[in-house]
Amino acid sequence: DGGITQSPKYLFRKEGQNVTLSCEQNLNHDAMYWYRQDPGQGLRLIYYSQIVNDFQKGDIAEGYSVSREKKESFPLTVTSAQKNPTAFYLCASSIQGTLSYEQYFGPGTRLTVT
Amino acid sequence: DAKTTQPPSMDCAEGRAANLPCNHSTISGNEYVYWYRQIHSQGPQYIIHGLKNNETNEMASLIITEDRKSSTLILPHATLRDTAVYYCIVISGFQKLVFGTGTRLLVSP
Repeated sequence: DGGITQSPKYLFRKEGQNVTLSCEQNLNHDAMYWYRQDPGQGLRLIYYSQIVNDFQKGDIAEGYSVSREKKESFPLTVTSAQKNPTAFYLCASSIQGTLSYEQYFGPGTRLTVT
Repeated sequence: DAKTTQPPSMDCAEGRAANLPCNHSTISGNEYVYWYRQIHSQGPQYIIHGLKNNETNEMASLIITEDRKSSTLILPHATLRDTAVYYCIVISGFQKLVFGTGTRLLVSP
């Protein structure tokens, strides 16, 4: 089945540790995105990538880093510089080169930092 | 800045039509209206989109007013599984999707 996978579903870390969230897609999509969602809030864009080896900051990139070495993979690292890392993290992908804004989302990773 | 305004919550009886409104009074001529929904603790799901004309697919219908300043998403026969937060998004060009707080729809038996 084609889709987006995120792992793990739940992640617990101690404050001061970096943590990497996985996102993989087999939809052959060029573009990939990372969003953050806090309780009762909408989604906020962290980083996005329109093509391999290229990515751009979203609205709340501080304290996060990404890489895009393969088309299928777009891992997100939450660094110790992120002041409030506890949140629900969502990865998405979409077709580039068209005017479609249909994004396909993964199931999300819920990160808790204590 | 939010380009859309949606009621924070709505209720609907199972089997009835759910009509979710969205105001986008500052929409420009080349901006699309997109609808997504998010079931609790899952990723958002694309529902439907439109520019000027009304649209229908297997999930829902989208009615856009003639002046394009508002739209309504219609779920013709709501089921309990339609309980979710529904997001109305206005977008064009190289803009990024901006998800506001949406409308929390509760479908009850």
